[in-house]
Formats: sequence, C-alpha cells, structure tokens
Amino acid sequence: AQKVTQAQTEISVVEKEDVTLDCVYETRDTTYYLFWYKQPPSGELVFLIRRNSFDEQNEISGRYSWNFQKSTSSFNFTITASQVVDSAVYFCALSEPNTGNQFYFGTGTSLTVIP
Amino acid sequence: ETGVTQSPTHLIKTRGQQVTLRCSSQSGHNTVSWYQQALGQGPQFIFQYYREEENGRGNFPPRFSGLQFPNYSSELNVNALELDDSALYLCASSFYPGALNNIQYFGAGTRLSVL
Repeated sequence: AQKVTQAQTEISVVEKEDVTLDCVYETRDTTYYLFWYKQPPSGELVFLIRRNSFDEQNEISGRYSWNFQKSTSSFNFTITASQVVDSAVYFCALSEPNTGNQFYFGTGTSLTVIP
Repeated sequence: ETGVTQSPTHLIKTRGQQVTLRCSSQSGHNTVSWYQQALGQGPQFIFQYYREEENGRGNFPPRFSGLQFPNYSSELNVNALELDDSALYLCASSFYPGALNNIQYFGAGTRLSVL
C-alpha cells in the first residue's frame, strides 16, 4: 500500500498565481514525521519543511505555507505568488520512527510556473 | 548546498556489469541512506547504514549491497546490472536513527544508465 499519495502529477500555473500541492499519508503509528522536498532539474532533493505528528500548527515561511490536518491525514503545501524559480518536482515524505530513518516518498508533483 | 557529495555524477554500464557509487556525508552526520529514483517516480529506500552496519533495508535484492566507512562515507554496490537498474541513485545523510532531528540531507545523485 502506498504510504504517501500525491494525486497531482503535473500542475501548471501562471506566474504570481497561488498553487497548492496535495499530500495524503497513511500510517498506524502515533508518532511520525512529514516532510516536503523540492527537486529542481539538477536532481538534488532540497529540504523545505518537517512536521511531527504532535504539532498540527500550520506554518508560514515567506511565500510557502503548510497545512497539516491529522483528521484527514493530509499535509498540503501552498506557494503564494508563484515565481518561475518555483518550477520543480515537489515530494512529500513520511518517516516512522519504528522503521528507523527510512523515508517513504510520494510520486511527486511536477510544478511548472509560466512567466 | 547540503554538504553531501556523490560520485560519479553520471555512469553508463552494460547489462551484467557491476557498479560502485560513492557518497560523503555531511559533517556531523553518522547515518547514510541510499535511494533509487526511477524516471518520473519518487525515491525508493534501498538501505541505511549507521556505525558501519546496515540498519534497515527496503525491497531490493541482495545484489544491492553497501558499505559504510569509519569516516561515515558510504558505497553502494550493484552486481549483475539489469536494464531496470537505470535510475538516479540518491544518498542522504542524517544524525543517528531515532534522533529528534531526523532530517535527511540529499546529494545531487548519480545517474546510472544500463545498456
């Protein structure tokens, strides 16, 4: 069973539009961690944010914001006023302490921001 | 930059050959995880090394093996290469398994093509 689902395969927006990337996860553990990574064409996965299962407080960092809802097992990511440099593939990931530091990644959402 | 370096960046091999990929972890990290990322997919966990021992393994056959050295750098070895082994291989370093700060920092990867 897929532990992390990113239903949106590709999204295109025009520059300055807001965009939300969806992530749904599945776990039986009460303690777990959720992450978002950005993968530009260079290939390196760039860490964006980590959330633990006990902290449902939403977070804003500049143009980025994250909405964590345990009731719906979702951890969505919003980019406000998108820019061309935001074009990349974005991955949501789940880590369960019971399985060490193994990360379970979704299949990614490819975001294209059109100038 | 994460401080995680991988070599080589690109590699072309033929079916049946063997390959060794290398990874240097970020300063202060003693855990290295390896992932395989097929085109258009999310990274899949291969295995993790902590204190020179394998500490968790994903659903990969034994022909995928690894090593971790006293300086915490690591190697991924793949024997009897198959066409499906063509992928981006990513290395990630982190603090010890179970650490509160369990963020994994990734290198830029090695692109392996098997012909």
